[in-house]
Amino acid sequence: DAEITQSPRHKITETGRQVTLACHQTWNHNNMFWYRQDLGHGLRLIHYSYGVQDTNKGEVSDGYSVSRSNTEDLPLTLESAASSQTSVYFCASSEGAWTAGKTEAFFGQGTRLTVV
Amino acid sequence: KQEVTQIPAALSVPEGENLVLNCSFTDSAIYNLQWFRQDPGKGLTSLLLIQSSQREQTSGRLNASLDKSSGRSTLYIAASQPGDSATYLCAVSSNDYKLSFGAGTTVTVRA
Repeated sequence: DAEITQSPRHKITETGRQVTLACHQTWNHNNMFWYRQDLGHGLRLIHYSYGVQDTNKGEVSDGYSVSRSNTEDLPLTLESAASSQTSVYFCASSEGAWTAGKTEAFFGQGTRLTVV
Repeated sequence: KQEVTQIPAALSVPEGENLVLNCSFTDSAIYNLQWFRQDPGKGLTSLLLIQSSQREQTSGRLNASLDKSSGRSTLYIAASQPGDSATYLCAVSSNDYKLSFGAGTTVTVRA
């Protein structure tokens, strides 16, 4: 079955370190997204991509970057981790077609990141 | 900016009762609306997708309605079970594929 996987599931890092969270999908979807989930804020969009070599900023992109070198992967990099980036991070994908039933988004299991 | 609101924030019902979860959104120019389930410490599981041209979608005990003009969707869960205990999230998508989420409704079904 097609799926979307995130790694690691849990990570603790120190302030100032660079951290990369992996996201891999086997749906062959064009669209990929990174969200963060925080109490009191719900899910907020960090970055997204509509295809290979395409990346775009979401509403909370400061301090984060992504790259899309192939269809399957969209790694999220925290350039210099800060305590404010302690959160649960979710990757999602969807097919880039507006035909019936093809715009459903699928989510990974999440990565819990703690910055100390 | 699209704002999505879910009421109530929490709900506790005895087993067997029907659940009614509400979602409202401010911008009616949506392409679809998706309901998700999230268990504690887990990811989001898609339950139902309603395209903007549809009025409702059904899957088993779940039924979701959409009134795009008034900016509302309702998720009905019939004959609730303890296994239905989770947080339910509503999300709307416009023509850019991005999802705007509500804060969720946390449901507890008491045995």
